[in-house]
Amino acid sequence: QITLKESGPTLVKPTQTLTLTCTFSGFSLTSTGAGVGWIRQPPGKALEWLALIYWDDDKRYSPSLKSRLTITKDTSKNQVVLTMTNMDPVDTGTYFCAHKRQWMDHLDYWGQGTLVTVSS
Amino acid sequence: DIQVTQSPSTLSASVGDRVTITCRTSQSISTWLAWYQQKPGIAPKLLIYKASTLESGIPSRFSGSGSGTEFTLTISNMQPEDFATYYCQQYNVYWTFGQGTKVEIK
Repeated sequence: QITLKESGPTLVKPTQTLTLTCTFSGFSLTSTGAGVGWIRQPPGKALEWLALIYWDDDKRYSPSLKSRLTITKDTSKNQVVLTMTNMDPVDTGTYFCAHKRQWMDHLDYWGQGTLVTVSS
Repeated sequence: DIQVTQSPSTLSASVGDRVTITCRTSQSISTWLAWYQQKPGIAPKLLIYKASTLESGIPSRFSGSGSGTEFTLTISNMQPEDFATYYCQQYNVYWTFGQGTKVEIK
């Protein structure tokens, strides 16, 4: 059974760096074809894909946010970490991590999400 | 970037209705499209992938079709638990979501 759970601060100040951790179970990021992505959702708005990391450490970033994002993995801990620099109030929202189905690119299992508020 | 446009943004339906949601992409994505259902405060749930493949455990009243740049999600015989927001997502080049379609009770 695949599960994912996001963790990190609930409140960050403008200009600070956000670090979120996705801890997962039920699969390994060393398995060929595996991947984990991050998606966010501002309150009352649509989903927005942010980044994805593959089993071979290949990484993909949203072109509009690429300069602010870094995604890494720690396979020994079954974790994927997303950092986002220079946070702004418009970055307020729920941040989800999700499992990419092996050898396909759709996202099949999602974490419950974590709400991040950016405010001074 | 591939743009994804869903229509309508809101839809009113009754239990038992047949509902259709459309998703259009700015360039051809073959069949690399997924549909998700999201209820308030809950993570999205995968319904359909590769445009028309039903995810395991999803009721057969959900179906998807299309290829290239135009896709549809159909819910036949709406049930009370189907009132939610639906998103399409292309995954041909990176990942892009549509803006969502809220299906409300008429």
